[in-house]
Amino acid sequence: AQSVTQLDSQVPVFEEAPVELRCNYSSSVSVYLFWYVQYPNQGLQLLLKYLSGSTLVKGINGFEAEFNKSQTSFHLRKPSVHISDTAEYFCAVSELLQGAQKLVFGQGTRLTINP
Amino acid sequence: KAGVTQTPRYLIKTRGQQVTLSCSPISGHRSVSWYQQTPGQGLQFLFEYFSETQRNKGNFPGRFSGRQFSNSRSEMNVSTLELGDSALYLCASGSSGSYNEQFFGPGTRLTVL
Repeated sequence: AQSVTQLDSQVPVFEEAPVELRCNYSSSVSVYLFWYVQYPNQGLQLLLKYLSGSTLVKGINGFEAEFNKSQTSFHLRKPSVHISDTAEYFCAVSELLQGAQKLVFGQGTRLTINP
Repeated sequence: KAGVTQTPRYLIKTRGQQVTLSCSPISGHRSVSWYQQTPGQGLQFLFEYFSETQRNKGNFPGRFSGRQFSNSRSEMNVSTLELGDSALYLCASGSSGSYNEQFFGPGTRLTVL
């Protein structure tokens, strides 16, 4: 079974500073990788996804992530954060079983932006 | 296009009761997945339905069940509620194919007293 490890449970940063949220996955086969964001009292919103092709993936709200197969990592980055980026971020890998897809999530990283 | 809707948004039940949650997927989507989110266990996959058939099931006791109707709407049922069932239950809908992007609803917050 696949697993996802988010290395930081909480990341505090100052507004306009860069941020990196780290994610490692375990898989010996081709993977689909995702980052989701969850704002308070809301569901999950897809930030970006890696299915194949270019290892640098750009998403919404200025976020990007780099797929590194040798390091089995998929770290999320933003060059300059805003107060509105305060949320919980989840890294996920897609696992295919009997033709059905399920998402395996990391434990989440709470990003707090301080003014 | 309307998004994924879940009803009710909030629910309070007592131990031993049963509960039914509903999810309406995005129009045209035939896959509905359910996830449980708790502070301790994080996000865990419950089950996935496609064209009224359960294709995949997570590691949850038999008290957790679900079904999907011909219009792709799905319900999940939890019987004999326990305190540990308190969680946010998220529904996600997707199209067909080996990869289908999943769109999440706002969730149903279940509190078991």
